Parts: sequence; structure tokens; C-alpha cells
Amino acid sequence: KNQVEQSPQSLIILEGKNCTLQCNYTVSPFSNLRWYKQDTGRGPVSLTIMTFSENTKSNGRYTATLDADTKQSSLHITASQLSDSASYICVVRKGANNLFFGTGTRLTVIP
Amino acid sequence: EADIYQTPRYLVIGTGKKITLECSQTMGHDKMYWYQQDPGMELHLIHYSYGVNSTEKGDLSSESTVSRIRTEHFPLTLESARPSHTSQYLCASRSFEQGANSPLHFGNGTRLTVT
Repeated sequence: KNQVEQSPQSLIILEGKNCTLQCNYTVSPFSNLRWYKQDTGRGPVSLTIMTFSENTKSNGRYTATLDADTKQSSLHITASQLSDSASYICVVRKGANNLFFGTGTRLTVIP
Repeated sequence: EADIYQTPRYLVIGTGKKITLECSQTMGHDKMYWYQQDPGMELHLIHYSYGVNSTEKGDLSSESTVSRIRTEHFPLTLESARPSHTSQYLCASRSFEQGANSPLHFGNGTRLTVT
């Protein structure tokens, strides 16, 4: 079983709407959690990082949350744009070097 | 955009051929990685390097090899390609100085198809 589970697997929303992507993990000891955006045909690009002491962090229209007690993180996208169509990957770091990747959520924003 | 480049972008070859996937970065990062990515699956670490002349195998069993003769260059070689090697290969690098919180910088990948 993957130690990082993402939901939903895929999501279709109308342009301008908000959405929330979920990431649950069992990785321990927890070091940090990072969200990446991967456009089709491109490599993943970091959106934001959450460390143990952080609950909420915003990067433009993206807001990430972390609940270290329940081992859950979410990525909220506000006022979605067509360019938000991509896969969003949750990655949890264990200790100094080990990374655990989720399978991603495929978001499609339609006009 | 991160300064990490992969060539070729697409490659179709026959079974048994030897191939090398190129990866170069201009950021001076010590740490470099090769990942395999299949649709709907998580990324799997194939090889990594923490500096020149340092290479290690990752979690995914692989018939590939890597070399790290220069900081900026981290090529991956398949001595004899098989259809099971068909996949997307992503190269990444990371800064050592920034510690555990530094992000991975990915190239745009090589899509390999072995017929």
C-alpha cells in the first residue's frame, strides 16, 4: 500500500470554480510535504512546501493546509483557470532523504 | 523554469538496442535523480547521485546504469532495451546547501517506447 494516498484520482471543474485536492499519508517520521504541479508533457514543478509547524500556506490562488496529527494535507485552488489543468502530486519526505510520492490528482478545468 | 534539460524528448527503438538518455543541469546542484513515471502511478526512483563519482540504485529494480563524471551531467544507459522499459523517464536535481526543504527541479522527461 502506498504511504501517500491522493484523492480524487481525477476531477473536472468549470473555469472560475474552486476545488480541493486531498493527500493522506502514513509516512513516519515526517519531515515535510510538498505539492507539485505537472503540466502534460512537462516535469513536475514545486508549488509549495509544508513543514511540521505550518498549518496553512498560500501561493497566489493555491492554498495548502497540513494537519500533522491526522496526517492529512489539502490543496485548495481558488477561481480556477484553464491553465490550472494539470496533475497535482503530493510528496512526503521521511527523514533526510527518502521521498514518498502520491499517484496524483488529474485536474481538468473546462470553459 | 528550472535549468535542467533532458534529451531526447521522445525515443522509439527496437528491442535489444543500447540507449543513453541525457540529463544536464546548470544550477550546480550536487544531488541528481532519475525517476520512472507511468500513467496513474507514483514516481519510482531508479538511480541517484550525491556528487561526482557517486551513484546509487534506487527503490525500483532496473537494468539501467548511470554515471556522474561531471556535476552537471547525469546520463542513464540501457544496455539492452526491452518492451518492459517503455515508460516516461524524469531527471531531477536538488540543492544540497538548502537541506531537506529544497525542492526537486525536474526536466521535461524522455518518453521511451521499445518495440
